[in-house]
Amino acid sequence: ETGVTQTPRHLVMGMTNKKSLKCEQHLGHNAMYWYKQSAKKPLELMFVYNFKEQTENNSVPSRFSPECPNSSHLFLHLHTLQPEDSALYLCASSQDDSSRYYGYTFGSGTRLTVV
Amino acid sequence: DQQVKQNSPSLSVQEGRISILNCDYTNSMFDYFLWYKKYPAEGPTFLISISSIKDKNEDGRFTVFLNKSAKHLSLHIVPSQPGDSAVYFCAAEITGTASKLTFGTGTRLQVTL
Repeated sequence: ETGVTQTPRHLVMGMTNKKSLKCEQHLGHNAMYWYKQSAKKPLELMFVYNFKEQTENNSVPSRFSPECPNSSHLFLHLHTLQPEDSALYLCASSQDDSSRYYGYTFGSGTRLTVV
Repeated sequence: DQQVKQNSPSLSVQEGRISILNCDYTNSMFDYFLWYKKYPAEGPTFLISISSIKDKNEDGRFTVFLNKSAKHLSLHIVPSQPGDSAVYFCAAEITGTASKLTFGTGTRLQVTL
């Protein structure tokens, strides 16, 4: 258990479905992130939240909608996804929006398959 | 355009020997570098980091070397152990900006008996 919990671990959804990914951390961190890992590609930053405020949206399509109700919880709402959105979605947190001293703590990820 | 590159997708090393994982970067503004380790079905875990003001950082069996002029860093694992078998990601960032780690594609290390 890394301190960052992601649910569900696996998700299969149709292109017309709406689903949500959940991330929870109780490490006292103030920054939370969503990353996408596709096969043979680097981890891609999607969103950054610092003290519940979104500070980064890395040109992510609107079919991905993040929500951060408090510093401990982060959601990624999904709707009308495409098969190419199938990937491992990783949540991470850090003390603040700087990784340099402690690094990020990652969750185990949600393996998403869009059919 | 990939700013952080790990050109070796995989590496196999015998137990007890040295593992050397390489990483190249193109953005000269990067001034902090990190290595993450990832086991299957788990998220990446922070392993070791180095600031651009240093050329070496050591933590037990793990040492990271930075060559700024060549824009190259490497992770040395000595001695390699079977439990080190994992995917290793190199990452870089620019301090003073809202943290935005740029990752490489990873190198899969297999330590054989």
